[in-house]
Amino acid sequence: GQQLNQSPQSMFIQEGEDVSMNCTSSSIFNTWLWYKQEPGEGPVLLIALYKAGELTSNGRLTAQFGITRKDSFLNISASIPSDVGIYFCAGHNSGGSNYKLTFGKGTLLTVNP
Amino acid sequence: EAGVTQFPSHSVIEKGQTVTLRCDPISGHDNLYWYRRVMGKEIKFLLHFVKESKQDESGMPNNRFLAERTGGTYSTLKVQPAELEDSGVYFCASSPSSYGYTFGSGTRLTVV
Repeated sequence: GQQLNQSPQSMFIQEGEDVSMNCTSSSIFNTWLWYKQEPGEGPVLLIALYKAGELTSNGRLTAQFGITRKDSFLNISASIPSDVGIYFCAGHNSGGSNYKLTFGKGTLLTVNP
Repeated sequence: EAGVTQFPSHSVIEKGQTVTLRCDPISGHDNLYWYRRVMGKEIKFLLHFVKESKQDESGMPNNRFLAERTGGTYSTLKVQPAELEDSGVYFCASSPSSYGYTFGSGTRLTVV
């Protein structure tokens, strides 16, 4: 089946630093999604990308859909303590009856105040 | 608007016992999904309901897992008999279409 390689597995940073994480796939997706999971909660959608090359921002978060449609990255600028959590990338081939998401293993982010 | 509700939030059972997880989707969402995350691994798709019908159950690990969605509202996922490798967090999600997933908080299942 399709697999996503997400890196890094974990990051320990100081408050105020920028963060970058990425996902690569062996196959093409037509939608890339980035989720954040906090302890005791389910994944919450941060950014959705629908076109190859698309660059989208949501506050301090910026994500890009790679032009090959096989990769995506997420940047967080000026990190703050509440950015702590697990960040997951997910690929989706929307259309037809296939609604399932393929997830990466997650990046655990720790922010030291 | 109420979100996706899952019950219980935690369950600890012995190997060989039966456990039933429940998910109440957002009202009006025809699509309901089950996913599972085993410690340190990716969140993996289990199955997808459209109303009460199973659209895709390609991710179900084996026949010890049974999912139902009677009447197209809430869904249950039963594991019988549970094995150690079934431990993990089980997420339910719902959506009105192929977009707009909302996940529940998950059920953490520990099989000892």
